[in-house]
Amino acid sequence: AQTVTQSQPEMSVQEAETVTLSCTYDTSESDYYLFWYKQPPSRQMILVIRQEAYKQQNATENRFSVNFQKAAKSFSLKISDSQLGDAAMYFCASIQGGSEKLVFGKGTKLTVNP
Amino acid sequence: KAGVTQTPRYLIKTRGQQVTLSCSPISGHRSVSWYQQTPGQGLQFLFEYFSETQRNKGNFPGRFSGRQFSNSRSEMNVSTLELGDSALYLCASRRTGGVQNIQYFGAGTRLSVL
Repeated sequence: AQTVTQSQPEMSVQEAETVTLSCTYDTSESDYYLFWYKQPPSRQMILVIRQEAYKQQNATENRFSVNFQKAAKSFSLKISDSQLGDAAMYFCASIQGGSEKLVFGKGTKLTVNP
Repeated sequence: KAGVTQTPRYLIKTRGQQVTLSCSPISGHRSVSWYQQTPGQGLQFLFEYFSETQRNKGNFPGRFSGRQFSNSRSEMNVSTLELGDSALYLCASRRTGGVQNIQYFGAGTRLSVL
């Protein structure tokens, strides 16, 4: 069974600075995908970034990048130049290839201070 | 292109009643998944439908059911409501083919059971 663990219930960052959110996962599968989703107070779950397990290169999307350490089963999210609009709950999730079942961590609440 | 639409946004029911939630996926998306989000249990997978067939089911009692129509719209039903069913219910749709395994979420239906 897959599990996803986010060890930081809350994090805060100053506007324009960089913050890293941690995530570890466990799976016995070789074909899987990892995601970071953002959930602002509006409740809409928004995809931030996606990583295929078979790709060694870390995914990046503008100010968002990941540090994917496959052997350590670690998948951290780095947010650079933090903006007030980045404040939200961030969920790390994994899915096995061919499955529709996303397995989520408990989330990290990110506060951005002006 | 319109996103995933869930109706209603809010519902208040009493114990013992039943409720139906609706989800309209992104146009062209044929896979629809449902998740329950609670403060205690986090995000948990309920079930997934594709081409009007339930393909995957999470670990929920039989009071939770769903269906999908030929236009890919989906409904989930909860019968004999319990206080513990109070949650945010999220629907996600996915396009088959192309970039795999990305689920796009709606804003959810907040169900309160009194």
